[in-house]
Amino acid sequence: QSVLTQPPSASGTPGQRVTISCSGSTSNIGSNTVNWYQQVPGTAPKLLIYRNNQRPSGVPERFSGSKSGTSASLAISGLQSEDEANYYCGTWDDRLNGPVFGGGTRLTVL
Amino acid sequence: QVQLQESGPGLVKPSETLSLTCTVSGHSINNNNYWGWIRQPPGKGLEWIVVVYHSGTTYYNPTLKSRVTLSVDTSKNQFSLKLGSVTAADTAVYYCARGPSYGDYSGWFDPWGQGTLVTVSS
Repeated sequence: QSVLTQPPSASGTPGQRVTISCSGSTSNIGSNTVNWYQQVPGTAPKLLIYRNNQRPSGVPERFSGSKSGTSASLAISGLQSEDEANYYCGTWDDRLNGPVFGGGTRLTVL
Repeated sequence: QVQLQESGPGLVKPSETLSLTCTVSGHSINNNNYWGWIRQPPGKGLEWIVVVYHSGTTYYNPTLKSRVTLSVDTSKNQFSLKLGSVTAADTAVYYCARGPSYGDYSGWFDPWGQGTLVTVSS
């Protein structure tokens, strides 16, 4: 059972905008910034968004993040076939005193 | 360019100790970042095991703390994980990764090692 809650799946067609939600509590998302990772099956996770809405160098502007209260969202605009992957949210949990993750959302590009 | 590489046995017997080492290149582990071990059981999500600063400040996942030993070898730019009394539930891909600076609790990890699959089986 993951500390953060994500929908298990999401889908969209090429060019569409999709959003993936991440829900937590006051001890994690409510108190700290949120990060997002992209994981293509068989590979290591890749940092996509950090500190709620910052993109590491090389991450396309199509990817954006936001946070409100104890929830966060990842938005992908102009969906492309190569965006098909698993997406995980993560943050620090003040009660557990460590980093925590969501269970992941499998994104399918139809 | 920072790179991390996990190494260790791919097969461990039940009740024995899993031992893995993460070798860091392109960045000194003496720098002000924290370093972590994260695992992913087959087909499942990510689970934090432990994060450590070179100073020795360590944060353990409470559910694993009693079985985890972490060590840092600054001379080799490595940090190592030992997980004792393993069972089949410990079968997972184990990743090492770099976190942000000390005192920055934003919790991101970047980059990650490629991961190593450890199977617990007799």
